[in-house]
Amino acid sequence: GAVVSQHPSRVICKSGTSVKIECRSLDFQATTMFWYRQFPKQSLMLMATSNEGSKATYEQGVEKDKFLINHASLTLSTLTVTSAHPEDSSFYICSARDFTGRTTSSYTEAFFGQGTRLTVV
Amino acid sequence: AQKITQTQPGMFVQEKEAVTLDCTYDTSDPSYGLFWYKQPSSGEMIFLIYQGSYDQQNATEGRYSLNFQKARKSANLVISASQLGDSAMYFCAMREGFYSGGSNYKLTFGKGTLLTVNP
Repeated sequence: GAVVSQHPSRVICKSGTSVKIECRSLDFQATTMFWYRQFPKQSLMLMATSNEGSKATYEQGVEKDKFLINHASLTLSTLTVTSAHPEDSSFYICSARDFTGRTTSSYTEAFFGQGTRLTVV
Repeated sequence: AQKITQTQPGMFVQEKEAVTLDCTYDTSDPSYGLFWYKQPSSGEMIFLIYQGSYDQQNATEGRYSLNFQKARKSANLVISASQLGDSAMYFCAMREGFYSGGSNYKLTFGKGTLLTVNP
């Protein structure tokens, strides 16, 4: 299946600092990337959808100024948690979709990165 | 209304036996996809199986099969010959297609079922 790589897998940061998480598609062009968040013992919830070269679309209740998303190339999207606070501690995970039609799989969005466990202290 | 409903918070199964994890969905979009994932304690989301709304046959992948009943809007996961390593959270998810508007192709997840395989 399509390969998505996410980095870092774990990060601990101090309250008030910013953290950047990278999501890369390794074998296909990710025209769209999805960022999800999962709190402990809960399900995954979509935070935002980003299309290459344009602004991200945020889900209701997600602060766009806190969670900055950049999708500058067809293989890389970044999520920056700005001025992180303990309540931002969570598991963040990405997936990607190829809308160019060049990928044989009809469901590249099924494949997730490894996830990033963020702890803000 | 919830789009994906998993009614079993937890399930237990004996090793080597089969188990069915329930999933019902709600959509008016004729084009959709259904996914099952396994999430072990490490957190990674392991894709197990996919069923497209227009697929005529039920999907199978090794020990995993999807019992797709379109009229009932159910997509249950069947794991045959359970192994101890199958103990994990299992999530059902749906992707709606072109007609749903908004963030097309995002996945909407159920709340999950924690499967425990007993030796």
